[in-house]
Amino acid sequence: DIQMTQSPSSLSASVGDRVTITCRASQSISNYLNWYQQKPGKAPNLLIYAASTLQSGVPSRFSGSGSGTDFTLTISSLQPEDFATYYCQQSYSTLYTFGQGTKLEI
Amino acid sequence: EVQLVESGGGLVQPGRSLRLSCAASGFTFDDYTMHWVRQAPGKGLEWVSRITWNSGTITYADSVKGRFTISRDNAKSSLYLQMNSLRAEDTALYYCAKDRGYSNHIIFGSWGQGALVTVSS
Repeated sequence: DIQMTQSPSSLSASVGDRVTITCRASQSISNYLNWYQQKPGKAPNLLIYAASTLQSGVPSRFSGSGSGTDFTLTISSLQPEDFATYYCQQSYSTLYTFGQGTKLEI
Repeated sequence: EVQLVESGGGLVQPGRSLRLSCAASGFTFDDYTMHWVRQAPGKGLEWVSRITWNSGTITYADSVKGRFTISRDNAKSSLYLQMNSLRAEDTALYYCAKDRGYSNHIIFGSWGQGALVTVSS
């Protein structure tokens, strides 16, 4: 199975900050990497797919990059509504594993 | 607008069975692969199973293989998950998810609100 490891597990930041979350795969997954945002009590929401493609309707302050084993999700200027938990997910191999999540807090 | 509404969750004893349903609307259901993803209380996300548009390819996580069965009824725009031999570790919120349909990538593009399954005696 491909293991996905996110860092950090939690992060404190302020409105207006630039934030980067990292996701590392245990083997190369090309660009088969997606990012989701989950707010408390809500279902996850797709932000970025294929490593760097912004899902329709997602604000442009979110961006993704990377290929192979190392990927990043960047929020260019944090807004109050961005405080949530973020998950990466690989689809290179069946058994579509998620990272453990990064909780972004004020 | 895509809508996915899960139902059928509840409290069940270990070893018993439960069937989840997901009613889909707002898109052409039989064009898309569908998935079940679960989240144990306070934990992260775990993909459970997927079924392609014509039920031609079905895949399961190792943790549920042999106990859970995914199926769909395209005429009713509905997805199902039959869960047998339930264990305490199956306790979770079960989400129905629609694949975004992008090349050969698996992308959970839309999600339901979830159905809570609690396995306890």
